Amino acid sequence: AQRVTQPEKLLSVFKGAPVELKCNYSYSGSPELFWYVQYSRQRLQLLLRHISRESIKGFTADLNKGETSFHLKKPFAQEEDSAMYYCALSKNTDKLIFGTGTRLQVFP
Amino acid sequence: NAGVTQTPKFRILKIGQSMTLQCTQDMNHNYMYWYRQDPGMGLKLIYYSVGAGITDKGEVPNGYNVSRSTTEDFPLRLELAAPSQTSVYFCASSYIASGTQFFGPGTRLTVL
Repeated sequence: AQRVTQPEKLLSVFKGAPVELKCNYSYSGSPELFWYVQYSRQRLQLLLRHISRESIKGFTADLNKGETSFHLKKPFAQEEDSAMYYCALSKNTDKLIFGTGTRLQVFP
Repeated sequence: NAGVTQTPKFRILKIGQSMTLQCTQDMNHNYMYWYRQDPGMGLKLIYYSVGAGITDKGEVPNGYNVSRSTTEDFPLRLELAAPSQTSVYFCASSYIASGTQFFGPGTRLTVL
């Protein structure tokens, strides 16, 4: 069965520290993977998708098919990065399967 | 553009009551989705639609109904509310079948 696992409910770091939010998936086909973010009092929005291979707000994520992972990384966390982050897998390109989310807290 | 709008923002229902959660998008998107999010859980797909007149079940459709008479609107109907339907409901849309979905602000529903 298709599944997305985010093992950390909460990740706390200090400003300037590196950040890695973990995401593992199980899927039998060729996955499309995404990171969505929800800042406080804002709606859920797309942060990045693996197929575009871009860096958004300093975040990057590399699809590792061998380890079935799609971890989100940023070398130097900022306070404004504090938010809920959801990893998602696209099944047949039209439906998303979400992980349970990781709350990132960046302390000053 | 307002994007995806949802009404109401909050609602408290009694067991057995019915209600409709409204969702409207002004981006001319073909695809629309309804998700629910329970505390500490990810979003789960309830129903989705690939265009006006076409709807299909998602992962957790029981207790809900949808319709899609226009491109813009995708209401979600709860016929007999149950405490298990207490959740935050999100509507989303996308132009094509892709993972890039645009979300509404959510409706927080409590069934007592």
